[in-house]
Amino acid sequence: QVQLQESGPGLVKPSETLSLTCTVSGSSISGHFWAWIRQPAGKGLEWIGRIYSSGSTNYNPSLKSRVTLSVDTSRNQFSLNLTSVTAADTAVYYCARDLGLLGAFRPWGQGTMVSVSS
Amino acid sequence: EIVLTQSPGTLSLSPGERATLSCRASQRVSSGYLAWYQQKPGQAPRLLIYGASNRATGIPDRFSGGGSGTDFTLTISSLEPEDFAVYHCQQYGSSPFTFGPGTKVDIK
Repeated sequence: QVQLQESGPGLVKPSETLSLTCTVSGSSISGHFWAWIRQPAGKGLEWIGRIYSSGSTNYNPSLKSRVTLSVDTSRNQFSLNLTSVTAADTAVYYCARDLGLLGAFRPWGQGTMVSVSS
Repeated sequence: EIVLTQSPGTLSLSPGERATLSCRASQRVSSGYLAWYQQKPGQAPRLLIYGASNRATGIPDRFSGGGSGTDFTLTISSLEPEDFAVYHCQQYGSSPFTFGPGTKVDIK
C-alpha cells in the first residue's frame, strides 16, 4: 500500500523559503510523477507542480518563478521549495502520486499546515 | 488555463436521496482527463473517479461519473451518511492542472 507523508516547518517567516519533503513508502518513487497541491483554509485546491522520478518538472505558471521541485530516488523522497513567501502562501500543503490517465492523483499525503508569519 | 466551474455550490439532501453534481470546463478537457475527489473536514482529498467515468479502487458503485468535452457530472445514487462532504473536480489533461471550487453536500 503506497503511503505519502509530508514533513517540514509549520511556520515560515515572510520573504523566506518554504521547504517541504514528501516521503514515499510502499512503492518505489521511480517510474512515476509526483505532485504538490495546496489548499488555503476554507478555499479550493491549487496544483503547484509535479516532478517525474527522472527529475523532469512541470510547474503552475502562477508560481513558477518561485517554485523548485526536486527528487531523491535513493531516499524515496521528493521536495518542494517555495521562495519569497507571503501570507498568501499560508495553506495546507499536500503531496500526491500523479498517475495521469491511469488514475489521476492517488494516494495523497495527509497534508501539512504551513503558516507564513513573522 | 482551463477554468472549472462546479454547481451547485451547496447541495442539501437527505440520506437515501440522489445527488447530481456538475463540473463545467472553460475548454474541452482532453481525453477525458477529469477526476472527482471527496474531501471531509481535516482530511486529504480521496480519489473517487478518474478518466471521467472510472471508479477508483474501493469506491462503492453508488458513485458514478459521466460526461465529456466540457460538461461532466458526478452522481451519488443513494446518499449514505458518510457521503456528506465536499466534492472537487479536477482536469489533469492540460497543464496547469486545475480544480473546481468544490460542491458541498450537506444534510438537509
